[in-house]
Amino acid sequence: QVQLVESGGGAVQPGRSLRLSCAASGFTFSSLALHWVRQTPGAGLEWVARISNDGFNKYYAESVKGRLTISRDNSKKMLYLQIDDLRVEDTAVYYCSTFRGDFDHWGQGTLVTVSS
Amino acid sequence: QSALTQPASVSGSPGQSITISCTGTGSDVGAYDYVSWYQQHPGKAPKLMISDVSKRPSGVSNRFSGSKSGNTASLTISGLQAEDEADYYCTSYTRRSTYVFGIGTKVTVL
Repeated sequence: QVQLVESGGGAVQPGRSLRLSCAASGFTFSSLALHWVRQTPGAGLEWVARISNDGFNKYYAESVKGRLTISRDNSKKMLYLQIDDLRVEDTAVYYCSTFRGDFDHWGQGTLVTVSS
Repeated sequence: QSALTQPASVSGSPGQSITISCTGTGSDVGAYDYVSWYQQHPGKAPKLMISDVSKRPSGVSNRFSGSKSGNTASLTISGLQAEDEADYYCTSYTRRSTYVFGIGTKVTVL
């Protein structure tokens, strides 16, 4: 079955960097665009970034552009999100997702807490 | 990109129908038929209920239906059941090739 498993979250100080990972299985990884979506504790969902199936095209929410970098390794079936210059407002659960009407799957999320 | 506008809360009694609105602009909701609706229970990942304005994924109850008029999309839940109590989010593709979510609506079954 389809599985998306995020990792790499944790407690970090403002200004530091973090790389989140998402391990995928159960589908043809290299054929699908993938997304990161985050959710601040107790608040709503925010779409963060998308990467094309071949990794060449990347799109970001305006609120994170310049600090977040999405990437993928199709040979390893891995999706990544690099977050630089972490801010308190980056505190959230980060989900990886196929985010696609005919094939919509989500991971369980990984929590990033930014605090001094 | 501002979040799509949804009512903060909607409530109804079991068996009733409720409708949740999702208002955007001509650059997102009004521009494409790429509006989806997600249901989220506490502590769980979102679950897709409606895609492409009105398509219901396999396994989703036919009590859930979607529509759109202009810059406003809607999700209707008919025959409201206790298990429908959750948060609901709309999302739309935008002219910038990005996506935007609504602020979310808490559905309460009285």
